[in-house]
Amino acid sequence: KAGVTQTPRYLIKTRGQQVTLSCSPISGHRSVSWYQQTPGQGLQFLFEYFSETQRNKGNFPGRFSGRQFSNSRSEMNVSTLELGDSALYLCASSFENRGESGYTFGSGTRLTVV
Amino acid sequence: AQKVTQAQTEISVVEKEDVTLDCVYETRDTTYYLFWYKQPPSGELVFLIRRNSFDEQNEISGRYSWNFQKSTSSFNFTITASQVVDSAVYFCALTESPSGGSNYKLTFGKGTLLTVNP
Repeated sequence: KAGVTQTPRYLIKTRGQQVTLSCSPISGHRSVSWYQQTPGQGLQFLFEYFSETQRNKGNFPGRFSGRQFSNSRSEMNVSTLELGDSALYLCASSFENRGESGYTFGSGTRLTVV
Repeated sequence: AQKVTQAQTEISVVEKEDVTLDCVYETRDTTYYLFWYKQPPSGELVFLIRRNSFDEQNEISGRYSWNFQKSTSSFNFTITASQVVDSAVYFCALTESPSGGSNYKLTFGKGTLLTVNP
């Protein structure tokens, strides 16, 4: 069973640019969540999608957005990049996003903004 | 609101020592799930264990064991006879039931960096 695939693994962008990250969940999983990990703030919830619907969004500015496609693959977009957006972005795949179904994480996309 | 506290920021031990990583959580829900994840330098969060709030049995898996105590809201993780390969950041996480207002998210502690020296 294939795991959670995040692409790209590494990304370097310039301030002001925008970026799109991709996450392919485990086959059959309908929930994809996104987390931002920084040394200062730790792991913070960005948003969650289930069957193409965003069910919850964390406390991040509107520059952070996402979507989910009918095949459950998800993308997140960050516009007008700032230096502080440099982080490891992790996505989590879950069957229903209920505690009992657990969460499987991808290897992450490490974004560096210069 | 849910909260997870891992008071130990860094722990350094010598190989073969036992080490316990502490996790204290806060939740108003009666149904919740606790997790431990390991994050090696590669970055991926590796699932170690899931425990629901109704199952207070301690669990042992090889050199790993977990002690869940609802009375003290703690879910501690012990590595017996540590090895260099255990060096990583370990995260404790909590999610409540959707009806309890988890809003479908995991709340993580800040993590504990474990370094096992040869």
